[in-house]
Amino acid sequence: AQTVTQSQPEMSVQEAETVTLSCTYDTSESDYYLFWYKQPPSRQMILVIRQEAYKQQNATENRFSVNFQKAAKSFSLKISDSQLGDAAMYFCAYRPPGTGANSKLTFGKGITLSVRP
Amino acid sequence: KAGVTQTPRYLIKTRGQQVTLSCSPISGHRSVSWYQQTPGQGLQFLFEYFSETQRNKGNFPGRFSGRQFSNSRSEMNVSTLELGDSALYLCASSQDTYNNYGYTFGSGTRLTVV
Repeated sequence: AQTVTQSQPEMSVQEAETVTLSCTYDTSESDYYLFWYKQPPSRQMILVIRQEAYKQQNATENRFSVNFQKAAKSFSLKISDSQLGDAAMYFCAYRPPGTGANSKLTFGKGITLSVRP
Repeated sequence: KAGVTQTPRYLIKTRGQQVTLSCSPISGHRSVSWYQQTPGQGLQFLFEYFSETQRNKGNFPGRFSGRQFSNSRSEMNVSTLELGDSALYLCASSQDTYNNYGYTFGSGTRLTVV
């Protein structure tokens, strides 16, 4: 079974600084999808960034970028120029390809990010 | 474009009762998935529906069931509620058949069982 591990339960960053959130996963698949979701106090999960495993290029969305290391099964999220609105819980998620029995999102436990003004 | 709408936002039920939660996906989205979120277990997959058919099911007891209607709206039902069913229930919809572009989540229904 696939597992997603986020080993750091909490992190803190100074406003305008850069922070990296770590995520590792375990899978025997060669093709899959990885996601980072943000959950603010409003509870709604918001998709931050998505990575396709067969693409070597790291995904980037404005201030958010990932460091995808397929061989190491690592998928970290870098937030540049941190803003107060970035404070939230961040979840790393994995999804295998297709629509088979295991084609669901598997989430890590999440990391709470606080931003200091 | 309206987002994923879940109703009600909050619900308090008594042990032994049953409850029905509703989810209206984004217009045009045919896939709807349900997740249970608790502090102890994190986010756990309940089930997924696509075009009114259950396509995938998580490891939950039979007390948890769901369905999807022809307009893609989905409901989940929990019968014989237990204290451990207290959780945030999140619904997510997806545009593509394989859900590979990610899901759009609703704000969830907070269920408290007393």
